[in-house]
Amino acid sequence: GDSVTQMEGPVTLSEEAFLTINCTYTATGYPSLFWYVQYPGEGLQLLLKATKADDKGSNKGFEATYRKETTSFHLEKGSVQVSDSAVYFCALSDGTGGGNKLTFGTGTQLKVEL
Amino acid sequence: EAQVTQNPRYLITVTGKKLTVTCSQNMNHEYMSWYRQDPGLGLRQIYYSMNVEVTDKGDVPEGYKVSRKEKRNFPLILESPSPNQTSLYFCASSLKVRGGDRAPLLYGYTFGSGTRLTVV
Repeated sequence: GDSVTQMEGPVTLSEEAFLTINCTYTATGYPSLFWYVQYPGEGLQLLLKATKADDKGSNKGFEATYRKETTSFHLEKGSVQVSDSAVYFCALSDGTGGGNKLTFGTGTQLKVEL
Repeated sequence: EAQVTQNPRYLITVTGKKLTVTCSQNMNHEYMSWYRQDPGLGLRQIYYSMNVEVTDKGDVPEGYKVSRKEKRNFPLILESPSPNQTSLYFCASSLKVRGGDRAPLLYGYTFGSGTRLTVV
């Protein structure tokens, strides 16, 4: 079955540092890939997405590129802020489960300090 | 404002006492789903619904029931809660994927704010 593997956290960075959160996946066919963000006390919000190989999703300074050859979708940001502190989830959809099912990774907590 | 509303936000209950967590969305979404979030396990799907009166099991349905009598509501029912159901629960909704057209999913799910359930 489908699976998503994320790097374990927490990841602690200083403000303005470079961020990478690794994500690799196993899926049938050609899944769509997503990053969701969960701020403290809130539900998950879609951060960015990519639907096919070599697509780059971007939003709020975050980027991730769909790499089919390495089955990866790593999240990057050039300069993090304290306000980026949150839990980040990588997810995929391969069209199963009625077409709408998302399979999530375990989440990576990011803490950004001044 | 487009949103998914869950209630209650926090709930402490005792083993075996039936409870219902409500979920309501105001976006006319066909698809609704329940997830539980546990440390080290991420989010796992409990049940989902493609439309009114259409529900199906997700990956971890044991001990849960759902119903979809109206398009906007998708309650999660624990008939006899046990301590292993202590978790953070999320309801989510989206437009429905039709056939090979995944476009609706690309707008992402809209999630509720979560219900933290403790069963003692």
